[in-house]
Amino acid sequence: NAGVTQTPKFRVLKTGQSMTLLCAQDMNHEYMYWYRQDPGMGLRLIHYSVGEGTTAKGEVPDGYNVSRLKKQNFLLGLESAAPSQTSVYFCASSYVADTDTQYFGPGTRLTVL
Amino acid sequence: GDSVTQMEGPVTLSEEAFLTINCTYTATGYPSLFWYVQYPGEGLQLLLKATKADDKGSNKGFEATYRKETTSFHLEKGSVQVSDSAVYFCALTAMGSGGSYIPTFGRGTSLIVHP
Repeated sequence: NAGVTQTPKFRVLKTGQSMTLLCAQDMNHEYMYWYRQDPGMGLRLIHYSVGEGTTAKGEVPDGYNVSRLKKQNFLLGLESAAPSQTSVYFCASSYVADTDTQYFGPGTRLTVL
Repeated sequence: GDSVTQMEGPVTLSEEAFLTINCTYTATGYPSLFWYVQYPGEGLQLLLKATKADDKGSNKGFEATYRKETTSFHLEKGSVQVSDSAVYFCALTAMGSGGSYIPTFGRGTSLIVHP
C-alpha cells in the first residue's frame, strides 16, 4: 500500500516551459487535491476533484490545469511556467470530503528560472 | 470566505515545557477541524481532528477541543519532546458555494524544542 505518490520529486524549468506533475493514490479515494506551499503562506488549494472525470478550481488556479481521467490519478499541468510558480507542490486525497483525513504525498519541489 | 488564523511562529520551547498553539477560524455552517503536522522534507500528516462542537481530538499526547462559541481549536501538549519539532497546521473543511466541501489551511506554526 503506497498511499499517495508524486512524480517527480524535483524539477527545474525555464520560464515558458511546460510540465505535468503526476499524483497517484491506491486507497480508492474519491477526492483529490493539489496544493502549493510557499514560505509564510501555508498551503493554498490550486484545484481539486470530487471524483473521476471531475475537476474544480481552488483558491489559486490561474496558470494551472488539471485532469482526473482515472480515479487513482490526478495530474497538474503548467502550460507556460513562470518564476511565480516556484513552490513546493503537494497532492492529497481523501475518501470523503467533510470529515475525513487528507493523506498527503511527499511533495514536488519546482523551481522556475 | 472561510479562513483559519494561527499564531505566528516560531514557537521555541525547552523539552518538557507546556505547548499551546492558538487556532481560530471563520466558516459558515459546521466545519470539521483538523491539526496536521509536517516534519522537515515530508508531506503533511494528520495529528488529530474533531468533527462537531465540543469534541476533543487527541493523539500522541496532543489535544484540541472544538469550541464553537469561540470558533477556536487550540492545540495543547503537556510536555513536549525534541522529536515534536515540526510545523503544525490548523485546517478546516466546510461546504463551499458549489456544494462541495473545501479544505482551508492556516499558515502553519513552526515549533522548535530544545533539549
